[in-house]
Amino acid sequence: GIQVEQSPPDLILQEGANSTLRCNFSDSVNNLQWFHQNPWGQLINLFYIPSGTKQNGRLSATTVATERYSLLYISSSQTTDSGVYFCAVGGDYYGGSQGNLIFGKGTKLSVKP
Amino acid sequence: GAGVSQSPSNKVTEKGKDVELRCDPISGHTALYWYRQSLGQGLEFLIYFQGNSAPDKSGLPSDRFSAERTGGSVSTLTIQRTQQEDSAVYLCASSPPGRRGETQYFGPGTRLLVL
Repeated sequence: GIQVEQSPPDLILQEGANSTLRCNFSDSVNNLQWFHQNPWGQLINLFYIPSGTKQNGRLSATTVATERYSLLYISSSQTTDSGVYFCAVGGDYYGGSQGNLIFGKGTKLSVKP
Repeated sequence: GAGVSQSPSNKVTEKGKDVELRCDPISGHTALYWYRQSLGQGLEFLIYFQGNSAPDKSGLPSDRFSAERTGGSVSTLTIQRTQQEDSAVYLCASSPPGRRGETQYFGPGTRLLVL
């Protein structure tokens, strides 16, 4: 099956700093999502981005599908950005219908005031 | 609109008892997924529903686990004869109909503790 690797596993930032999180995957995908898991465990959708670039406020993401990686950029980090960031990918398992997501192990981000 | 809801939010049970976990997907979403998150295994897929049928049950860890979905809406995950290793957060997600690969929206999870 598809393998998903995220780096770095842990990241400590000072408030206001920028960061880049990386997700590598081992096969072609038709779904790639970035999530933020908050301290209460809720998975919050950040981006649906199987290819291309998207931006939402201080966050942006780029997926280069041909090279099998995705990057999540966080600019001007805030303490509320702390938590675990997951990359999850989905393949075309059902002849065109939707399939399950395979998650990386996440990047644990701590933003210090 | 309302997001994915799950109940109960927390469940403590004794080893050997059966438990039922419920998921209410977003209205109109045809696909429904169950995942679980545990310390040792991370986030792992359990089962996928398209409508009321389950084309992929490959993630269910044993025959003690089963799930059903009725009316293309609510789903119930049942764990029989619970074991301590079943302790985890059980997450449900749903996604809208349409083309391949759609955003999956997650519920808040049910935290299961088996004593």
